[in-house]
Amino acid sequence: AQKVTQAQTEISVVEKEDVTLDCVYETRDTTYYLFWYKQPPSGELVFLIRRNSFDEQNEISGRYSWNFQKSTSSFNFTITASQVVDSAVYFCALSAGNTNAGKSTFGDGTTLTVKP
Amino acid sequence: GAGVSQSPSNKVTEKGKDVELRCDPISGHTALYWYRQRLGQGLEFLIYFQGNSAPDKSGLPSDRFSAERTGESVSTLTIQRTQQEDSAVYLCASSNRGGNYGYTFGSGTRLTVV
Repeated sequence: AQKVTQAQTEISVVEKEDVTLDCVYETRDTTYYLFWYKQPPSGELVFLIRRNSFDEQNEISGRYSWNFQKSTSSFNFTITASQVVDSAVYFCALSAGNTNAGKSTFGDGTTLTVKP
Repeated sequence: GAGVSQSPSNKVTEKGKDVELRCDPISGHTALYWYRQRLGQGLEFLIYFQGNSAPDKSGLPSDRFSAERTGESVSTLTIQRTQQEDSAVYLCASSNRGGNYGYTFGSGTRLTVV
């Protein structure tokens, strides 16, 4: 069985602060995929990033960066110099196995509020 | 279409009535998923369609829930004899390479059972 834990239910920061959203996952599969999605107040989930279990290289995309560590089963997401538009619910998700069916298990989400 | 389209966007129904929710995936996307999101919670997998293969119904919570898909196009999720615990946002997603490459989600249908 797969499990995704996002221990931080809500985070509030002031604009321009850096913020890290934690994600810890559990799976017995050796092949798996990790995702982050953003759900702004409008409600539509937006895909942000995908990593596979064989690629631990960290990734940076503008103000966003992701730290994947298999040793701690974590896939944390950092927003640098946060902006009000970053306010949203962020979900971490896991899809495991080789079937490519891609049923994802989602965490409960972290609500990020960025205040001006 | 340009994105995943879901209708209606909002639905209020009386307990015991049947409802149908519709999803139009992105053209050419062979994989289609339904998820349920209760207030303040994560997404709960319901059902998965891939091309002409038999659907994976392992997430459907009861036999009151069913879904169909016509080929690689529109899907409908039907909830019979709705209960108050069915109140949630029902999200549809599609993918052209399988869910291991991530989904494109629709805006969801907010279902309220009164």
